[in-house]
Amino acid sequence: NAGVTQTPKFQVLKTGQSMTLQCAQDMNHEYMSWYRQDPGMGLRLIHYSVGAGITDQGEVPNGYNVSRSTTEDFPLRLLSAAPSQTSVYFCASSPWQGAITGELFFGEGSRLTVL
Amino acid sequence: GESVGLHLPTLSVQEGDNSIINCAYSNSASDYFIWYKQESGKGPQFIIDIRSNMDKRQGQRVTVLLNKTVKHLSLQIAATQPGDSAVYFCAETNQAGTALIFGKGTTLSVSS
Repeated sequence: NAGVTQTPKFQVLKTGQSMTLQCAQDMNHEYMSWYRQDPGMGLRLIHYSVGAGITDQGEVPNGYNVSRSTTEDFPLRLLSAAPSQTSVYFCASSPWQGAITGELFFGEGSRLTVL
Repeated sequence: GESVGLHLPTLSVQEGDNSIINCAYSNSASDYFIWYKQESGKGPQFIIDIRSNMDKRQGQRVTVLLNKTVKHLSLQIAATQPGDSAVYFCAETNQAGTALIFGKGTTLSVSS
């Protein structure tokens, strides 16, 4: 039972490069989200989705794009990486009943360094 | 704005002691609260949750208390073990119910 799978686990980019962090879940969850975690800052929401074709912004969306073409996948795109995007990124999913009513299931994280 | 905070960034206890980790929240309309444990290099793991219509919920060695009058949430860990050493986060739903808002975390260190 894979749960939430994130790839890659580690990535180093140069400023201005683009990349996509992949997230897939096999629990048929409608709700998926991306958080970033910085030292001393807890987890902050970047974007979320409540179903295929539906996405919305979270607390810190600037510099990131998302799309949701299938229930299973929710990729996070950095179009032009900046050093301020150096962080650990977590994807999470949950059943959706018009609101979050249960735990978010988290992936193991993707550690991104932008030089 | 919405925020969830923890009273102490670090907590050190001896093995076998009971631990209490506290959290203050600001959104009085939050319906759902949750505690996560995060070990180094891993994603957050669910510990226990509680809904706003309850004031206490117990799990295995853990208890969550919710005091809506003072907007306070606490996690009690009984007979703390070295394996409990981790960062603990409280979280609440935002007003729309579309996200979890996390506190900054408390690092629990258990010495034997």
